[in-house]
Amino acid sequence: GEDVEQSLFLSVREGDSSVINCTYTDSSSTYLYWYKQEPGAGLQLLTYIFSNMDMKQDQRLTVLLNKKDKHLSLRIADTQTGDSAIYFCAESIGNTPLVFGKGTRLSVIA
Amino acid sequence: EADIYQTPRYLVIGTGKKITLECSQTMGHDKMYWYQQDPGMELHLIHYSYGVNSTEKGDLSSESTVSRIRTEHFPLTLESARPSHTSQYLCASSETGRVNEQFFGPGTRLTVL
Repeated sequence: GEDVEQSLFLSVREGDSSVINCTYTDSSSTYLYWYKQEPGAGLQLLTYIFSNMDMKQDQRLTVLLNKKDKHLSLRIADTQTGDSAIYFCAESIGNTPLVFGKGTRLSVIA
Repeated sequence: EADIYQTPRYLVIGTGKKITLECSQTMGHDKMYWYQQDPGMELHLIHYSYGVNSTEKGDLSSESTVSRIRTEHFPLTLESARPSHTSQYLCASSETGRVNEQFFGPGTRLTVL
């Protein structure tokens, strides 16, 4: 079945870059997503990438997709304390509900 | 900003009570979902619906039930709440289409004493 794996914790210093990694198992994924969850809130879509793309950049966010290795990463440049949150990787396979990873808790140290 | 609402935001109740968690969206989305989220972060899909009068169970077995009588409304009911039901419940919706983006509500934090 589908599976999405992420490391559970990441700690970085303010101003450094953060890189959150994700691996998935289903090669028929059509879209891959990064969601952000702040304390006490629901999930908010940060960005997504179509499976035939290698990279997508949006301001401080860069998404890299290695389809051969089924590896997705999210890079946050110039990480700020407001970026502290839980980040979820997710994949879309056809018309089924998204498959989410377990989330990576990013802590930014001032 | 997504137009998806959940009420109540917080609920503390005693064991054995019947409760209904409300979820509504004003985007006309055909698909809606309920997730249960562990304190340790992982999301578990418990129910979903692809349209009116259509409901499916998710990956995690749940004692809750859902209904979808109107497109915009997807309530979740627990007939007899237990402490094991204490959790965060997140509702989401999406529109059939290429991108399949899910929009999430703010969640209901349920505590059963």
